[in-house]
Amino acid sequence: QKEVEQNSGPLSVPEGAIASLNCTYSDRGSQSFFWYRQYSGKSPELIMSIYSNGDKEDGRFTAQLNKASQYVSLLIRDSQPSDSATYLCAVTFDTDKLIFGTGTRLQVFP
Amino acid sequence: GAVVSQHPSWVICKSGTSVKIECRSLDFQATTMFWYRQFPKQSLMLMATSNEGSKATYEQGVEKDKFLINHASLTLSTLTVTSAHPEDSSFYICSARDDRPPGAPDTQYFGPGTRLTVL
Repeated sequence: QKEVEQNSGPLSVPEGAIASLNCTYSDRGSQSFFWYRQYSGKSPELIMSIYSNGDKEDGRFTAQLNKASQYVSLLIRDSQPSDSATYLCAVTFDTDKLIFGTGTRLQVFP
Repeated sequence: GAVVSQHPSWVICKSGTSVKIECRSLDFQATTMFWYRQFPKQSLMLMATSNEGSKATYEQGVEKDKFLINHASLTLSTLTVTSAHPEDSSFYICSARDDRPPGAPDTQYFGPGTRLTVL
């Protein structure tokens, strides 16, 4: 069974620190990787997509992909209390269906 | 751009009734839409893939006769929960894949979700 795994957290970081969120996936054939942010009671919001090995930066967010290790991460620099949410890692396998991890809850405290 | 709407945002119904949820892509065409369900403190679970002009593809364990999907146009998909029961109470979320190239053709944009409560 194709799986996406995340630590459920909560991950607590002080305001201004770097938050590091990790995700592993089971299928080496995975093509596309996404990070979504979900606030309580709301639907997921796309933060980053990454398709090739290496880093991809967008503002305070950096996604890192290592296909050999089947590992994708999200770094949030200068974390703010408004970043407190659940972060969902999602991966597409041999189709365009997204398989979601269970999410990591991030808490940024002032 | 890439806005997806859902209607209604919440609904309360009696057990045994049917509920229809609409999902619309507002500023792009979407041949493919997806329907998810999320129970409290759990992740999103894909229920079905909806393709315009053809039958939906349901995930294992999802009853196609209970969750009716109609994707009648490139901007609208509907999910009807038939004979709803309390265990169907959940957060239902749709997503749409933008047909327009170039870019990331497999990026899904999510609607705001519909919270269903069955009494």
